[in-house]
Amino acid sequence: QVQLVQSGADVKKPGASVQVSCRASGYTFTDYYIHWVREVPGQGLEWMGIINPSGGSTHYAQKLQGRVTMTRDTSTSTVYMELSGLTSEDTAVYYCASGIVVGAPGYWGQGTLVTVSS
Amino acid sequence: DIQMTQSPSTLSASVGDRVIISCRASQSLSSWLAWYQQKPGKAPKLLIYQASTLDSGVPSRFSGSGSGTEFTLTISSLQPDDFATYYCQQYSSYPRTFGQGTTVEIK
Repeated sequence: QVQLVQSGADVKKPGASVQVSCRASGYTFTDYYIHWVREVPGQGLEWMGIINPSGGSTHYAQKLQGRVTMTRDTSTSTVYMELSGLTSEDTAVYYCASGIVVGAPGYWGQGTLVTVSS
Repeated sequence: DIQMTQSPSTLSASVGDRVIISCRASQSLSSWLAWYQQKPGKAPKLLIYQASTLDSGVPSRFSGSGSGTEFTLTISSLQPDDFATYYCQQYSSYPRTFGQGTTVEIK
C-alpha cells in the first residue's frame, strides 16, 4: 500500500533552517508528484509547493519563494523540503502528500511538527 | 492567486441531518476542485476530486457538485464519524489554494 513516512518533530531557533523528509513506498516513486502543505495552529491549510520526482521540477508558493527548496533522491524514494529564515510564523505541522490525481493528493504523510522558538 | 471562500465557517448539526457546505472561487476553476476532511491531530483525507468524483472508499453519503466558481459538498445523513473540519481546494492554477475550512460540530 502507498505510504509516505515523514521525519520527526523538530525545534528551531528564529533565523535557522529546517529540513523535513518524506519517504515514499508502495508505488513507483517517479509516477506521482509530491506536494507540501502546512497547517499553522488554529489556522487552516496552506499549500507550499510541489515537486515532480521524475525530473525534479518544482513550483513554489510565491509567498515562500526564496525561502523554500524541494528536492528529491530517487535512489531512496525520498523528497526533502527545506525552509530557511524561520520565524515564529513558520511554527506548523508540515505534510507531504501525493496521489494519482496530480492536483488533489489522496495519500498523506503523518505530519511533522516544526516549532520555531528562541 | 485564486481566493477560496467557504461558508459557513462553523456548522452545528445532529446525527442524521443533511449538511451542505459551500465553496466559492474568485475565478473560474472549471471542475478542478477537491474536498478534504480533517480531524484533530490527523492528516487531511481526500473525499472528492474534480468537483464531484468520490475518492476510493469514501462513503456514498458524501457528494460534490458545482463548476466554475460555485461548489457544494453535501453529506446526505450526518454520521458520528463525520464531525470534523472540511476544506475545499482548487487545482486549476498555481498556487493551489484552500478555503478557510468549515467545522461541523455536534448540535
